Amino acid sequence: NAGVTQTPKFQVLKTGQSMTLQCAQDMNHEYMSWYRQDPGMGLRLIHYSVGAGITDQGEVPNGYNVSRSTTEDFPLRLLSAAPSQTSVYFCASSYSDARGYTFGSGTRLTVV
Amino acid sequence: ILNVEQSPQSLHVQEGDSTNFTCSFPSSNFYALHWYRWETAKSPEALFVMTLNGDEKKKGRISATLNTKEGYSYLYIKGSQPEDSATYLCAFYGGSQGNLIFGKGTKLSVKP
Repeated sequence: NAGVTQTPKFQVLKTGQSMTLQCAQDMNHEYMSWYRQDPGMGLRLIHYSVGAGITDQGEVPNGYNVSRSTTEDFPLRLLSAAPSQTSVYFCASSYSDARGYTFGSGTRLTVV
Repeated sequence: ILNVEQSPQSLHVQEGDSTNFTCSFPSSNFYALHWYRWETAKSPEALFVMTLNGDEKKKGRISATLNTKEGYSYLYIKGSQPEDSATYLCAFYGGSQGNLIFGKGTKLSVKP
């Protein structure tokens, strides 16, 4: 049981490049979310999903796209990277609203 | 945008001290309140999920209470130990399924 797996762990992008952060869970969780962590800002919700085929925007969705074609996977796409997207990104999943979330180990992204 | 406030921002205590932190959240459309523990260089780990007004939860020396009518939750640590040093996050579910909003956390440092 691997839990929530995020790849890559580290990434450096040039401004304007695109990339996809991968997130996979093997716990059959319906709920999956992406957060970014910035100094002094805590965890901010980017996008979330309550099941395959269902996604919604969180607090800071601009510049990011998501899709949820399977229960297991919830990739986060950066369309055109900007230095403001330099951050640590966490994927998390849960059975439901009333259960705690399991977090991945994070992806540290630097945009130069 | 829902506002989840935590206080204090940081706390320094001596080993053996008991301490508590506050999480404030909107009192309308309440569904659930989460507490997480986040150690440096690790991922957040769920401590408690609380859904009912008056709920009290306990795990070892850590406990939490919930007041949904006035919109606050307290986290208590009895007899703090150095291994309790971490950032403690609360997160609020309001209204929308999957939309879990985090506070900025309280950073606890326990000196031996």
